[in-house]
Amino acid sequence: QSVLTQPPSASGTPGQRVTISCSGSSSNIGSNTVTWYQQLPGTAPKLLIYSYNQRPSGVPDRFSGSKSGTSASLAISGLQSEDEANYYCAAWDDSLHGPVFGGGTKLTVL
Amino acid sequence: QVQLVQSGAEVKKPGASVKVSCKASGYTFNNYGISWVRQVPGQGLEWMGWNSAYNGNTIYAQKFQGRVTMTTDTSTSTAYMDLRSLRSDDTAIYYCARVGGIYGADAFDIWGQGTMVTVSS
Repeated sequence: QSVLTQPPSASGTPGQRVTISCSGSSSNIGSNTVTWYQQLPGTAPKLLIYSYNQRPSGVPDRFSGSKSGTSASLAISGLQSEDEANYYCAAWDDSLHGPVFGGGTKLTVL
Repeated sequence: QVQLVQSGAEVKKPGASVKVSCKASGYTFNNYGISWVRQVPGQGLEWMGWNSAYNGNTIYAQKFQGRVTMTTDTSTSTAYMDLRSLRSDDTAIYYCARVGGIYGADAFDIWGQGTMVTVSS
């Protein structure tokens, strides 16, 4: 049982815009920054979004993050086949004194 | 290039210990921390703890306290994660990840390739 809640799956067609939600509480998302990771099949996770909506160099601007209260969202616009992956949200939790993750969302590009 | 290279897969019996290494290259090891994250195949990510390569400070997730030790060797730019009293539910892929760079203290910007640890009698 993950501390942050994500939908287990999401899907879209090429070119479409897809959003993935991440729900937490006042001790994590409500008071700390949110990070998103992309994990392609058989590989290690990759940093996708940090500090709610910042992208590391090399991450396309098709990926964007947002936060409202105790929830966060990852949006992917202009969906491409190579975006098919698992996506995880994460945030520091003040009660647990460490980062917590969502259970992950498997994105399928139809 | 900046990378973390982990040691190879391990098979251990219940009750045994495992020590996974994570060798850093391409950056100043002392300037960052290393976190360890595990993933049961097909499941989500779980943070185990953090170790500062600067001063050796550690923070362990409550779940692993007393059973895990994380260390760093600055002379070889290598981090280690030692997990004791292994159980079958410790079977997972163990990742090391760099933390504390320009992306913030809670963003893991470089990951090792992962080490599969299988616990089976």
